[in-house]
Amino acid sequence: DAGITQSPRHKVTETGTPVTLRCHQTENHRYMYWYRQDPGHGLRLIHYSYGVKDTDKGEVSDGYSVSRSKTEDFLLTLESATSSQTSVYFCAIRTGTGGRGDYGYTFGSGTRLTVV
Amino acid sequence: GEDVEQSLFLSVREGDSSVINCTYTDSSSTYLYWYKQEPGAGLQLLTYIFSNMDMKQDQRLTVLLNKKDKHLSLRIADTQTGDSAIYFCADPRGKLTFGQGTILTVHP
Repeated sequence: DAGITQSPRHKVTETGTPVTLRCHQTENHRYMYWYRQDPGHGLRLIHYSYGVKDTDKGEVSDGYSVSRSKTEDFLLTLESATSSQTSVYFCAIRTGTGGRGDYGYTFGSGTRLTVV
Repeated sequence: GEDVEQSLFLSVREGDSSVINCTYTDSSSTYLYWYKQEPGAGLQLLTYIFSNMDMKQDQRLTVLLNKKDKHLSLRIADTQTGDSAIYFCADPRGKLTFGQGTILTVHP
């Protein structure tokens, strides 16, 4: 979909281990986002990026870090995974031009992470 | 603030109309979006409405916007079992804030 892929699609990891999720785009969009989806909470923003090496925190950033060394890749790292980080993680890119307030977004297919 | 709220569940019979409601707090949004998420999939943009419109119709979908009450609704006419999904309203200003999502279940 619109040149955005997430990897891996599924991951099971043990508590205390580091985990990195990758979001890759092929369309050179400036803005990229990481969300987590949990029942009853909808999608909550973890971190976002507005350019190479430019990132900022979202509403649930504790326990997560991100890096963006290239336009096409936005990495989300759980330094020491906990069971509360079991979730489905979605990456998104802002595909709208911003003109007339058009901030269209395209989402990846998600990564299901289970921390045991 | 940018809070967006939705009811969590809606159950309808096939062929009936579905109405999914959303309230938001930021009155300066230029657009408001509806996204659909099918089981095991990511989110897809379903439709959107400009803030200067009261209504937008797109085939079986009707979006109503009441700016005074900060209320947005999505009506699906002749609901089909394939419409079963989670529906999110979203405010794209700033960092794209989502409602909690409404789980629509369509019974045959």
